[in-house]
Amino acid sequence: GQNIDQPTEMTATEGAIVQINCTYQTSGFNGLFWYQQHAGEAPTFLSYNVLDGLEEKGRFSSFLSRSKGYSYLLLKELQMKDSASYLCAVSPGGYNKLIFGAGTRLAVHP
Amino acid sequence: DADVTQTPRNRITKTGKRIMLECSQTKGHDRMYWYRQDPGLGLRLIYYSFDVKDINKGEISDGYSVSRQAQAKFSLSLESAIPNQTALYFCATSDFGGGASEQFFGPGTRLTVL
Repeated sequence: GQNIDQPTEMTATEGAIVQINCTYQTSGFNGLFWYQQHAGEAPTFLSYNVLDGLEEKGRFSSFLSRSKGYSYLLLKELQMKDSASYLCAVSPGGYNKLIFGAGTRLAVHP
Repeated sequence: DADVTQTPRNRITKTGKRIMLECSQTKGHDRMYWYRQDPGLGLRLIYYSFDVKDINKGEISDGYSVSRQAQAKFSLSLESAIPNQTALYFCATSDFGGGASEQFFGPGTRLTVL
């Protein structure tokens, strides 16, 4: 079967660093996406990894290990506006379908 | 103007009613998707379409149907709404990138079935 796991909730302090983990088991692999979703709003794209390693984009970085079926999203210099849900999604191959994890709700406190 | 629009944004209806949710896009993408989102379950794929002549079922298509009227329009219908179809519905689009491509989401339709 297809399965994507990520923690349900996390809390962190403004200015700190937080790492959100995602593990996956899928029938194939054609890339992993991270999306940010504020409450009641549409998901917005953060990052895409298809090869092993770290992709850095400003305060956000995403890491992938295909052999371990593992990814993480690293958020640096946290701001209050980073309070949101973070969705991990895998493309298992072909047709660009995405399988989403349930999301990690991050609360950033002053 | 938004690239992916959904109408209505909110809808309250009664059990047994037929409901249509509409999605339009100006991104010129061939691929369109319908998802529903429930608390604690994440986004689940209902239907997807890769061009006007192509319609495919997702993981939870029972009780739903779709119509791809044009490249830019993809509608989702609930033939006879039931309370457990109460959810937040998102339309998304993507380009053909050879591999996996980013999906762009509309603002969502909050549907309540009483």
